[in-house]
Amino acid sequence: GENVEQHPSTLSVQEGDSAVIKCTYSDSASNYFPWYKQELGKGPQLIIDIRSNVGEKKDQRIAVTLNKTAKHFSLHITETQPEDSAVYFCAASRGRDTDKLIFGTGTRLQVFP
Amino acid sequence: KAGVTQTPRYLIKTRGQQVTLSCSPISGHRSVSWYQQTPGQGLQFLFEYFSETQRNKGNFPGRFSGRQFSNSRSEMNVSTLELGDSALYLCASSVTGQGYEQYFGPGTRLTVT
Repeated sequence: GENVEQHPSTLSVQEGDSAVIKCTYSDSASNYFPWYKQELGKGPQLIIDIRSNVGEKKDQRIAVTLNKTAKHFSLHITETQPEDSAVYFCAASRGRDTDKLIFGTGTRLQVFP
Repeated sequence: KAGVTQTPRYLIKTRGQQVTLSCSPISGHRSVSWYQQTPGQGLQFLFEYFSETQRNKGNFPGRFSGRQFSNSRSEMNVSTLELGDSALYLCASSVTGQGYEQYFGPGTRLTVT
């Protein structure tokens, strides 16, 4: 069945450095790729998403890149801040109403001041 | 616009009991999905409801069930609770389905003793 692999499982960076989280998906028909941030004691929050007709999307300090040929997509956070510390989840879907959203296993990001 | 709300936020039950959790989606959202989150298994999809009909289902036993009302509010029920059902249960809503932006509630923390 569909599968989304996410790496690394934990990531520690110094404040101000960049962080990159990578995901690989198995279903070549996937075309919707959201990223979620989950802070302690809260539900996941949608932070950015991309569809397959776009190779890159940016929103301030975060960006997502997509390589459909290699079937992988990545989250880039620049100028990291302590408040970026959280668990990040990638996900993939075929992008239609009836399609399931398949989640990666999560990356725990720690940003040290 | 109000976000997704879930009640109760915390619950302690005993093995063998049953439990009902409630989710109110964002106004105008007709799709409600439920997930189980545990440290070892990540985000596991339970089921999705759209217009009062179960549209997708994950790989969970029949003890897990749900329903959706005409106002899009949803409930999930777990019967004959087991220790392994201890988890954070998350509800997410979307306008039309999982192939589009999905917004999560804060979750219900269920502890089974």
